Amino acid sequence: GAVVSQHPSWVICKSGTSVKIECRSLDFQATTMFWYRQFPKQSLMLMATSNEGSKATYEQGVEKDKFLINHASLTLSTLTVTSAHPEDSSFYICSAPGLAVEQYFGPGTRLTVT
Amino acid sequence: SQQGEEDPQALSIQEGENATMNCSYKTSINNLQWYRQNSGRGLVHLILIRSNEREKHSGRLRVTLDTSKKSSSLLITASRAADTASYFCATDGGGSYIPTFGRGTSLIVHP
Repeated sequence: GAVVSQHPSWVICKSGTSVKIECRSLDFQATTMFWYRQFPKQSLMLMATSNEGSKATYEQGVEKDKFLINHASLTLSTLTVTSAHPEDSSFYICSAPGLAVEQYFGPGTRLTVT
Repeated sequence: SQQGEEDPQALSIQEGENATMNCSYKTSINNLQWYRQNSGRGLVHLILIRSNEREKHSGRLRVTLDTSKKSSSLLITASRAADTASYFCATDGGGSYIPTFGRGTSLIVHP
């Protein structure tokens, strides 16, 4: 099946710094990718839809200036958490759609802001 | 919201037993999917069932869909310790193909 990678797997940063998370489709092209956030033992919450060649579409309540998304190519989308604070600590997961409506998920990135 | 809600929230069984998880949703859907998530990892797509389908099988997995009751069930037969994971249902509809996820069922299979 299709493979999606994320980098880094985990990151610890200090409050006020910015962190960039990469999402890559390894063996297929993805004009659209999705970014989710997941708190412990909670559901995945869609943050934004990343679109190659155009601006990302953010879900209601998600600050676009805080969570910067760039779909740099047909295989790469990046999420930058700017001026991170402890409440931004979470598990961030990206996905890319398959041929039907199934999603191929990356392994996730654990962000801890101290 | 299309969000599904899984039931039970947690399930603990012995290896070899069957595990049944349920998902309920509120509005009409196009598709319902089940995903698996191992602890601290991404989600893996298990099975997709369309709104005009009632049952699908994949290996030890059996999924049913009852659109009149707005519910679905995932049955894992002859469970194994390796089936230990969280299982999520995801629905899409209302003009959007983007799935929205329920809170998941945490399944523990004891060897």
